[in-house]
Amino acid sequence: DSGVTQTPKHLITATGQRVTLRCSPRSGDLSVYWYQQSLDQGLQFLIQYYNGEERAKGNILERFSAQQFPDLHSELNLSSLELGDSALYFCASSVHGDGRDGYTFGSGTRLTVV
Amino acid sequence: AQTVTQSQPEMSVQEAETVTLSCTYDTSENNYYLFWYKQPPSRQMILVIRQEAYKQQNATENRFSVNFQKAAKSFSLKISDSQLGDTAMYFCAFMKHEKAAGNKLTFGGGTRVLVKP
Repeated sequence: DSGVTQTPKHLITATGQRVTLRCSPRSGDLSVYWYQQSLDQGLQFLIQYYNGEERAKGNILERFSAQQFPDLHSELNLSSLELGDSALYFCASSVHGDGRDGYTFGSGTRLTVV
Repeated sequence: AQTVTQSQPEMSVQEAETVTLSCTYDTSENNYYLFWYKQPPSRQMILVIRQEAYKQQNATENRFSVNFQKAAKSFSLKISDSQLGDTAMYFCAFMKHEKAAGNKLTFGGGTRVLVKP
């Protein structure tokens, strides 16, 4: 157990739907990062939050949004889902805002859009 | 923008033998961090080893060691005394050094390692 908790582990939904992925960072970690892993794109950075504030944005689609709550857990919202959004979504956390010690990853949420 | 290249899609090694995974990166930064992550079939991403670019000494973690060649922008991973549990996908990753928050990991495409009994 890495200490980073992601729920749900698996999600199957239809095109056009909206889903919410949840992440609880490791105790004491203030930064949360979201990554998407797909066969064709590899591991892509989506977005980072640090202590409740957005700090960096990557290749995140406008249909996707995220937030970090006062208790530091984070949610990634995916809307108007398309088949191509099927992927493994990882959340990671780090103690330092700059992530220099490396991230601790959760076990991921496998999203399948049918 | 930084890019990370892993030129070996797949490698196999006999148990107890040594295998070396290649990674090259492209950056104009002088200060940065390099990482190797392991993703076993369980799909969990596990940090294997970390290197700070301003340190000349190569990092070592038990059976895992790196050969960091800054001028060549090369960062290879050596797995010694390979064990069946080392079977996994291995990703090389780059992060530039900034004091401010907002540093992302840029990953290579991965190398699949199969340890054979």
